[in-house]
Amino acid sequence: DAGVIQSPRHEVTEMGQEVTLRCKPISGHDYLFWYRQTMMRGLELLIYFNNNVPIDDSGMPEDRFSAKMPNASFSTLKIQPSEPRDSAVYFCASSRPSDGNEQFFGPGTRLTVL
Amino acid sequence: TQLLEQSPQFLSIQEGENLTVYCNSSSVFSSLQWYRQEPGEGPVLLVTVVTGGEVKKLKRLTFQFGDARKDSSLHITAAQPGDTGLYLCADPSYNTDKLIFGTGTRLQVFP
Repeated sequence: DAGVIQSPRHEVTEMGQEVTLRCKPISGHDYLFWYRQTMMRGLELLIYFNNNVPIDDSGMPEDRFSAKMPNASFSTLKIQPSEPRDSAVYFCASSRPSDGNEQFFGPGTRLTVL
Repeated sequence: TQLLEQSPQFLSIQEGENLTVYCNSSSVFSSLQWYRQEPGEGPVLLVTVVTGGEVKKLKRLTFQFGDARKDSSLHITAAQPGDTGLYLCADPSYNTDKLIFGTGTRLQVFP
């Protein structure tokens, strides 16, 4: 089976531009998580969904960040407008209760905002 | 809010050496997961420990859960360059749906 798929793998953009990150979770997984990882702050949970419904978005840093999950096989994380401090690696992960809270991570998107 | 502190933050060793990394919590875990993240990839689950005092082995890796379930350790015997990566502990008990990750230990094993 394919794992979690993220695109793009790398994104370089200029400050002020809109950035959209994409994620396809593992088929059959009920939960989808978006994380941000930096050297300074480690791995931070931004938002997660259960059955396509946002459950907890308390980790979203500010209104410039938004996430959607229009169906069970696709989610987006959007940053508008982007700022240099948004530079990080963004991970998507999915899980299902029968796996005992194990989360399966995608390869990440490395975002650089100039 | 539960805090998971990992130590050491960085560790650089030669191939063949032994090492131990630690994960400590400000409160009691119901269970604890250890993940390894290799460079350029996402974290991958290594093991879940559930019972206080539990010891699990995965080849050269030995995981121990503290008796009071507030700490855990990961011991690697005869480290190899392939063990290089970021080791993260994670608590699934804060909320049954999400994980709280520790600060991580970044391990570099030189040949």
